Amino acid sequence: QQQVKQSPQSLIVQKGGISIINCAYENTAFDYFPWYQQFPGKGPALLIAIRPDVSEKKEGRFTISFNKSAKQFSLHIMDSQPGDSATYFCAASLNAGGTSYGKLTFGQGTILTVHP
Amino acid sequence: KAGVTQTPRYLIKTRGQQVTLSCSPISGHRSVSWYQQTPGQGLQFLFEYFSETQRNKGNFPGRFSGRQFSNSRSEMNVSTLELGDSALYLCASGRQGSVQYFGPGTRLLVL
Repeated sequence: QQQVKQSPQSLIVQKGGISIINCAYENTAFDYFPWYQQFPGKGPALLIAIRPDVSEKKEGRFTISFNKSAKQFSLHIMDSQPGDSATYFCAASLNAGGTSYGKLTFGQGTILTVHP
Repeated sequence: KAGVTQTPRYLIKTRGQQVTLSCSPISGHRSVSWYQQTPGQGLQFLFEYFSETQRNKGNFPGRFSGRQFSNSRSEMNVSTLELGDSALYLCASGRQGSVQYFGPGTRLLVL
C-alpha cells in the first residue's frame, strides 16, 4: 500500500533528447508527489512537485504528468543536457491533518546519463 | 538563507558502537525528517519530528532513535551498530504543510 514503483532503473539519452521517467503508486491517500534530483555526494534536491488536482505541471524544461485514475505520474525532461546526468527519485506523501509532508515514500531511483 | 546542515559529514565506527548524528534545519523550519539511503534499499524514511514531538516513524528497529530540541535542531542515534547500518543518513526540513529540503547527509561506515 505504501510502495512507489519507479522505472526505468537507468536511462541513456542523447543531448537534446527527451528523458521520461515513470512512477506508479498504490496508496490513493497520497496527495503530494515531488521529484528529487541527486548528484553524487549530495543530498536530494527538490526539482518539481504536483498535487493530484492537477494533471500537468511545467517548470522550465521539466514537466510532471499526473494520471490519478491510473495512479501513475511521470517526469519529462525536455532538451536533456549533460548537466542533467544524475539520479532522479519520485516520491509520494500525504498531508495528514494538514501538518506536514515530512514522511516521503520514495521510488527506487533512475540513473540518467545524457551523452553530449 | 542557509540550507540544512548535517554533522559530521563522514563517520567510521565499529560494530557494537553507537553513533549520534546532528541536523540543523533551515531557519524557520520546525519539521525535521531523517532518511537512510543505501544502494540496495534506496531512500527509506526513519522518523519525523515537529516541535520536539515524533510525528511519524518508519519501519526500523528500536536501535534507531531521535529527538528534536526547542530550536528545531535534531539528532538521531543508532546504538549497537551493525554492518548493515552503513549508509548515507539524510536529514530534511520543512515548514508545516510544505516541501522537504534535504541536507548533504552523513556517510556512516560500520566496520
